[in-house]
Amino acid sequence: DARVTQTPRHKVTEMGQEVTMRCQPILGHNTVFWYRQTMMQGLELLAYFRNRAPLDDSGMPKDRFSAEMPDATLATLKIQPSEPRDSAVYFCASGLSQDRANSPLHFGNGTRLTVT
Amino acid sequence: GQNIDQPTEMTATEGAIVQINCTYQTSGFNGLFWYQQHAGEAPTFLSYNVLDGLEEKGRFSSFLSRSKGYSYLLLKELQMKDSASYLCAVRDSYGQNFVFGPGTRLSVLP
Repeated sequence: DARVTQTPRHKVTEMGQEVTMRCQPILGHNTVFWYRQTMMQGLELLAYFRNRAPLDDSGMPKDRFSAEMPDATLATLKIQPSEPRDSAVYFCASGLSQDRANSPLHFGNGTRLTVT
Repeated sequence: GQNIDQPTEMTATEGAIVQINCTYQTSGFNGLFWYQQHAGEAPTFLSYNVLDGLEEKGRFSSFLSRSKGYSYLLLKELQMKDSASYLCAVRDSYGQNFVFGPGTRLSVLP
């Protein structure tokens, strides 16, 4: 089965350190989403891309977060500097865009980030 | 704006039927999706509706009324393994963004 791959699965770091999360979308998918999930907020959209172009990153704190797609097989989410309130599970999901209207998003297993 | 509402928690008994409701107000509409998420795992796709009516898929069915901004997920013959969170998500037609509801945590009791 094709699947979205995220690394690392777990990350523990100290406040102020840089964190980089990586995602390999399913081959052939042209949209990539980054979500953050906490008990309090549920699934919160951070950014999404279509055909590697950023469409919306309004949910992302721009002063410390950045999202990129250097190529079609890799999406990255960086936090610099990290803060304890960034502790959450970060999910990447990929899918097909408008011409496949019934195409769902497929999620990776997430990166569980703890910032101390 | 975008707003999706679901009940926070529900409890049901093994073998019973449960209906999980979702109401939405979004800037556009291009489909409503239901996902299941077990604790500590990723959400997995369950069902999709874009036209009004009922879609049946084994023990799970999903209903949509676009005029009312309303959907429900119906789970029949509940099993213990159905204990999970159920997330309703709307894809808006403009940006093709997926907006997720807060999720409903379902507990199935023996």
